[in-house]
Amino acid sequence: DADVTQTPRNRITKTGKRIMLECSQTKGHDRMYWYRQDPGLGLRLIYYSFDVKDINKGEISDGYSVSRQAQAKFSLSLESAIPNQTALYFCATSDLNGRGDREQFFGPGTRLTVL
Amino acid sequence: GQNIDQPTEMTATEGAIVQINCTYQTSGFNGLFWYQQHAGEAPTFLSYNVLDGLEEKGRFSSFLSRSKGYSYLLLKELQMKDSASYLCAVEGDSGAGSYQLTFGKGTKLSVIP
Repeated sequence: DADVTQTPRNRITKTGKRIMLECSQTKGHDRMYWYRQDPGLGLRLIYYSFDVKDINKGEISDGYSVSRQAQAKFSLSLESAIPNQTALYFCATSDLNGRGDREQFFGPGTRLTVL
Repeated sequence: GQNIDQPTEMTATEGAIVQINCTYQTSGFNGLFWYQQHAGEAPTFLSYNVLDGLEEKGRFSSFLSRSKGYSYLLLKELQMKDSASYLCAVEGDSGAGSYQLTFGKGTKLSVIP
């Protein structure tokens, strides 16, 4: 079983619709992240959370909101989707590993298309 | 904030050695990561450097010079499966009292026979 899962894996929606992307992890990590990836722009951080009561904006948080429902769950919402939010979205988790590295583990991604 | 530069594309021959460079400017440097990402898949962790010098892991090595804001990823004995994008990422001060990871745009490596 995958350690970091994302649902849905693919979603096509229309402009103005509310969309929620969900992320769950079984790694027991405190830190969770949402990124979007666009061709030519790389991975960009949307929001991150270091524990259940901690939410921080990333580089491109406008138009998005998040909820950390539990240590294992971190959801990303688009309140009113627009076409330029069409992208590949990744959830990631991190914790200190045995070497002291803050390695991030990524989910499989959600491909979102906004028409 | 952070600024990260790496070449957009590189091509190398199977069995050869390739070096992918990354330069960065950051406030509050807390480490540099390299990730591998095959097309359509999630990034996977390759290496982490926080001190100057070379870290070797099998066919992959990563080097860091903090004073120069420079890192490279060295891939030896290239295999066709090494064709992927390689992402340089820097952990720096977010300005809000915490650190966050900023990714470069990635270098697409094509390995040819």
